[in-house]
Amino acid sequence: EPEVTQTPSHQVTQMGQEVILRCVPISNHLYFYWYRQILGQKVEFLVSFYNNEISEKSEIFDDQFSVERPDGSNFTLKIRSTKLEDSAMYFCASGTSGNYEQYFGPGTRLTVT
Amino acid sequence: ELKVEQNPLFLSMQEGKNYTIYCNYSTTSDRLYWYRQDPGKSLESLFVLLSNGAVKQEGRLMASLDTKARLSTLHITAAVHDLSATYFCAVDGGGSNYKLTFGKGTLLTVNP
Repeated sequence: EPEVTQTPSHQVTQMGQEVILRCVPISNHLYFYWYRQILGQKVEFLVSFYNNEISEKSEIFDDQFSVERPDGSNFTLKIRSTKLEDSAMYFCASGTSGNYEQYFGPGTRLTVT
Repeated sequence: ELKVEQNPLFLSMQEGKNYTIYCNYSTTSDRLYWYRQDPGKSLESLFVLLSNGAVKQEGRLMASLDTKARLSTLHITAAVHDLSATYFCAVDGGGSNYKLTFGKGTLLTVNP
């Protein structure tokens, strides 16, 4: 069964460093999303991406964040200058408009020290 | 601002018992999602409810949607230990807006 994959599974970085989180969505999906979950809290929407552009972003998704689909398979989230409060689990999801369901990847745990 | 409220946030059950988790939302979207999350794991889609009166069942779990009341329920029948997890409901923005807004989750513990 097709699934969303994410790499790395765990990333440790120092405050102020740039990180890139990678996702490979399900191949025939057209909608892509990033969400994050701070430990013990609810899942929060960051950004949605469709037709090679951002369709919506949350207040969390400020100028330090960017997304890219550099080729036909990868979908990346970049944080330019990480802060301690960026420590969280980051989930990539993909979906189609047909059945509305979003399929989540296994997540990348980002730890900023 | 869209709000999604779940209750209870913590639920400790005995095996064999029945219980219901409630999800209230403030948006006019009629699309409601239930996910399961095991500790340290990703979100597993359980149900997608797309219309008023929708009811879906999978094993010991049954979800329903009342769009007039803006309420969804997740009913657990004869709980077993394997159902222990955190359950999240979420709604999207409606129309072509598929952004999900999640509730805080219900941590379900099923005790022998």
